[in-house]
Amino acid sequence: KQEVTQIPAALSVPEGENLVLNCSFTDSAIYNLQWFRQDPGKGLTSLLLIQSSQREQTSGRLNASLDKSSGRSTLYIAASQPGDSATYLCAVNGNKLVFGAGTILRVKS
Amino acid sequence: DTGVSQNPRHKITKRGQNVTFRCDPISEHNRLYWYRQTLGQGPEFLTYFQNEAQLEKSRLLSDRFSAERPKGSFSTLEIQRTEQGDSAMYLCASSSGQGVSPGELFFGEGSRLTVL
Repeated sequence: KQEVTQIPAALSVPEGENLVLNCSFTDSAIYNLQWFRQDPGKGLTSLLLIQSSQREQTSGRLNASLDKSSGRSTLYIAASQPGDSATYLCAVNGNKLVFGAGTILRVKS
Repeated sequence: DTGVSQNPRHKITKRGQNVTFRCDPISEHNRLYWYRQTLGQGPEFLTYFQNEAQLEKSRLLSDRFSAERPKGSFSTLEIQRTEQGDSAMYLCASSSGQGVSPGELFFGEGSRLTVL
């Protein structure tokens, strides 16, 4: 059974810092991995999709890496802003998405 | 294309009543997924459809839950005889999977259920 763990559970940083969110998974037989953002009481917004054959994907200030053999992914956020405050969820896709519990990020101005 | 649409956004009901949620996926997406999310947790898989066929159901989906996707377009999730433990956010997602690859999933805003 696939299990996804996200570390840290919560993170508070001052504006402008670069930060890294970690995700690990137990079964490397995946098609892809997605990172999502979720604002309180809202649905999920897809940030980045990494196919199993890829090592990383970039979108603006976001960069996600994937090491399938070790079962790890990281989400790097550059020059964080207060608007980045949200819960960030990692999900791995076998034939369905399995989610971690998320990292709650607070960026202080 | 307006994205995945879910209705109603909020539903408050009394224990024992039936509720139904509707999901309209992104047009031409052949796969549709239902997830449930409780406070402080990541979403948990409930079921998914490829076109009109329901291909997988989680053991979380008790016999009080039923999902349909007639004609492979919109989907409904019905909960019968609701219990307080059913209180959660119900999320719908769709994707344009090709072959065995599920593709990128896009989620709706969710339907929040409160059972009193």
